[in-house]
Amino acid sequence: DGGITQSPKYLFRKEGQNVTLSCEQNLNHDAMYWYRQDPGQGLRLIYYSQIVNDFQKGDIAEGYSVSREKKESFPLTVTSAQKNPTAFYLCASTPRLSAAPGELFFGEGSRLTVL
Amino acid sequence: DAKTTQPNSMESNEEEPVHLPCNHSTISGTDYIHWYRQLPSQGPEYVIHGLTSNVNNRMASLAIAEDRKSSTLILHRATLRDAAVYYCILRDGTSGTYKYIFGTGTRLKVLA
Repeated sequence: DGGITQSPKYLFRKEGQNVTLSCEQNLNHDAMYWYRQDPGQGLRLIYYSQIVNDFQKGDIAEGYSVSREKKESFPLTVTSAQKNPTAFYLCASTPRLSAAPGELFFGEGSRLTVL
Repeated sequence: DAKTTQPNSMESNEEEPVHLPCNHSTISGTDYIHWYRQLPSQGPEYVIHGLTSNVNNRMASLAIAEDRKSSTLILHRATLRDAAVYYCILRDGTSGTYKYIFGTGTRLKVLA
């Protein structure tokens, strides 16, 4: 079945370490997104990508980096520069349509805890 | 970016209809209105979307005000499985950026 796979589901990190969260989709979607969610809060956009080798900063990009070398993959690196990285991270994708809106599909999320 | 405003929480009895309101007074003519819901520790799932006319699907109905500055998600018969956080979001349909902005949503509690 088509969908979005995020890994790992749970991740623990020591302060000062970089960590990379994986996001893979087999929906043939052009656009992919990374969101951060803190307890009791809504989703905040970190980065998004419309096509391969292109991505844009969202509202809270500081301390994060991404790459889009393949259409199917959009990994997120949480760097040591991110001051408060403990959160629930969600990857999403949507078809790139010029006129009609597409559905935004989400993965199951990755919960990162900094010790 | 257009913003939405929703109540923080609502309660409903099981088997009764639920009306979840959303205000989007700065909506532009090309903004689509989307609703998603999120169960605990899961990614949000699509519920419904619309532009100007009211919409129905198997999950819910979406009623859009004539001036498009507000909308209401209607669950016709709430079940315990409908307990979730419901997000009303806008997406720009012209630029092709497909940027979705989520607010804090409405936490729906369904009472047995």
